[in-house]
Amino acid sequence: GAGVSQSPSNKVTEKGKDVELRCDPISGHTALYWYRQSLGQGLEFLIYFQGNSAPDKSGLPSDRFSAERTGGSVSTLTIQRTQQEDSAVYLCASSARTSGNKNTGELFFGEGSRLTVL
Amino acid sequence: GDSVTQMEGPVTLSEEAFLTINCTYTATGYPSLFWYVQYPGEGLQLLLKATKADDKGSNKGFEATYRKETTSFHLEKGSVQVSDSAVYFCALSSSGGYQKVTFGIGTKLQVIP
Repeated sequence: GAGVSQSPSNKVTEKGKDVELRCDPISGHTALYWYRQSLGQGLEFLIYFQGNSAPDKSGLPSDRFSAERTGGSVSTLTIQRTQQEDSAVYLCASSARTSGNKNTGELFFGEGSRLTVL
Repeated sequence: GDSVTQMEGPVTLSEEAFLTINCTYTATGYPSLFWYVQYPGEGLQLLLKATKADDKGSNKGFEATYRKETTSFHLEKGSVQVSDSAVYFCALSSSGGYQKVTFGIGTKLQVIP
């Protein structure tokens, strides 16, 4: 696609339910990032994928959070047993590689999935 | 680890005023530096970047210079417009590892006519 696509754009769920958030990166971008944006908290790094592997999961807040990526493309972020503090906008971004096989550091963001946990 | 510190907002300016948003960073090596902008109701997008010391990034009248000696990347614009109202994020991409991107907290700018 032309840009990074995220779905759903809005999700309202009840405390304790599981949710899945989807990200479809720009075609050809091998690097994929998930961030969380909460009011007054800036962008909180969650997880980084290179291809289908996740060499950096250090930002996942708890074991209720998991993510996978298949076919080097679509990624799914899953939050189990949601809590009210999980309410935030979840942002996905992708990035290209340089000719030297390094990430450019220039991220292309989707418009985010706004999660509200009641 | 790497970190980015930027001034907290909100910043309110009158149209045509001069804008400075301060950003300093902590990182090993020589990171790349970025400013991203998030307009109301839109996703984040890259505003400008600089990849080495003394480089100046510029776009849409905004400028920022990579200052290694002061570990800073302050964003400036000589004359802001109402359409510049947005949240501005300073970020760095580390030079080692996988070039992890670390963001500042964001600074909300409101420009009034």
